[in-house]
Amino acid sequence: DAGITQSPRHKVTETGTPVTLRCHQTENHRYMYWYRQDPGHGLRLIHYSYGVKDTDKGEVSDGYSVSRSKTEDFLLTLESATSSQTSVYFCAIREAGEGETQYFGPGTRLLVL
Amino acid sequence: SQQGEEDPQALSIQEGENATMNCSYKTSINNLQWYRQNSGRGLVHLILIRSNEREKHSGRLRVTLDTSKKSSSLLITASRAADTASYFCAPEENFNKFYFGSGTKLNVKP
Repeated sequence: DAGITQSPRHKVTETGTPVTLRCHQTENHRYMYWYRQDPGHGLRLIHYSYGVKDTDKGEVSDGYSVSRSKTEDFLLTLESATSSQTSVYFCAIREAGEGETQYFGPGTRLLVL
Repeated sequence: SQQGEEDPQALSIQEGENATMNCSYKTSINNLQWYRQNSGRGLVHLILIRSNEREKHSGRLRVTLDTSKKSSSLLITASRAADTASYFCAPEENFNKFYFGSGTKLNVKP
């Protein structure tokens, strides 16, 4: 795997609690992405970052916020978790430039009770 | 959105047979990438085809792109049990965003 890790790998939480997922890279890639994967929906883009402090929304950003204060870390926060946010979350990194490959992390399984 | 849509949703074949998966998209693209996902793991890049290319090969993989029909196909020749996985296409509309479909789940029976 390209130097990309996600933490935690598994989490169980209760509705209404805040949750933060961390994506860490050692590749110094400019772009970082958060996706969620649910049965029947494939991967859906939540937010992405194109540099430190530079982020933008994806197609399913409601209920999520992100922050990137360092090149290597991209945080995804669920301000008040809901059961509909139970999913597998994948982080991906990518070098700048058209046609560059995305490299995916191992995923975080989140269960919101 | 520019979501790729794969077809069929599921495909079951015998080892040694060829597997063909299709992808359709909606608007103009710069390139299209194919990814593979083993159960419970992150996606792994397989191959990229640019908008000005019609066909590309990589080992047992052959990808075609028809921009007039807004479609792409992935052919895996002489399939192996280890090819069992889900396959996703990702049309790249701009440099930043990728839209994955639901994927084709391939099962190769030994």
